[in-house]
Amino acid sequence: EVQLVQSGAEVKKPGESLKISCKGSGYSFTSYWIGWVRQMPGKGLEWMGIIYPGDSDTRYSPSFQGQVTISADKSISTAYLQWSSLKASDTAMYYCARWNLAAPPAYFDYWGQGTLVTVSS
Amino acid sequence: SYELTQPPSVSVSPGQTARITCSADALPKQYAYWYQQKPGQAPVLVIYKDSERPSGIPERFSGSSSGTTVTLTISGVQAEDEADYYCQSADSSGTYYVFGTGTKVTVL
Repeated sequence: EVQLVQSGAEVKKPGESLKISCKGSGYSFTSYWIGWVRQMPGKGLEWMGIIYPGDSDTRYSPSFQGQVTISADKSISTAYLQWSSLKASDTAMYYCARWNLAAPPAYFDYWGQGTLVTVSS
Repeated sequence: SYELTQPPSVSVSPGQTARITCSADALPKQYAYWYQQKPGQAPVLVIYKDSERPSGIPERFSGSSSGTTVTLTISGVQAEDEADYYCQSADSSGTYYVFGTGTKVTVL
């Protein structure tokens, strides 16, 4: 069974750094891209970017390029999303999901449970 | 930037049919996907490649495509279908991936 398990909720202050994680199991972690999706409070889904754990090839949405860093450690089947300096506007639920290229364009077929990030002074 | 446009809300009585549209210029060239998101839960894929249904998704969910519009149809709507629904696709070059604006389905 494919599973993506995300790290727990975080409460941070503006300017602090943060790294959240997403651990995959039940499939070959290095054979599928993993993506991140933002959902701000009461808002819709936003495609942030994807990474291929096999070689760490990474693609970002223009809206998120330079704002976050996506990485992965294939030895422990875990992908990461990190911020170097959080802003209040980063407050959101963040989902990781497996990116399936079976048919163009690709799509998310399995999702993590989400990590709530709250940034407040 | 590329956008997928959905109606903000759709209301339907139990047992009736709900239709949710998603419109964009590149949809004749790119497949669309549909996700259901219930309150407090992660999204779930309900339709892929315009009209295919993943295993475990009830048959009352179906998808279709016509020109620049794709449609998610829920036949015989049940109370448990009350949720937000999002389409997802890409621009004509396959460079930019986006979600639709989302549609809230209310079961009266």
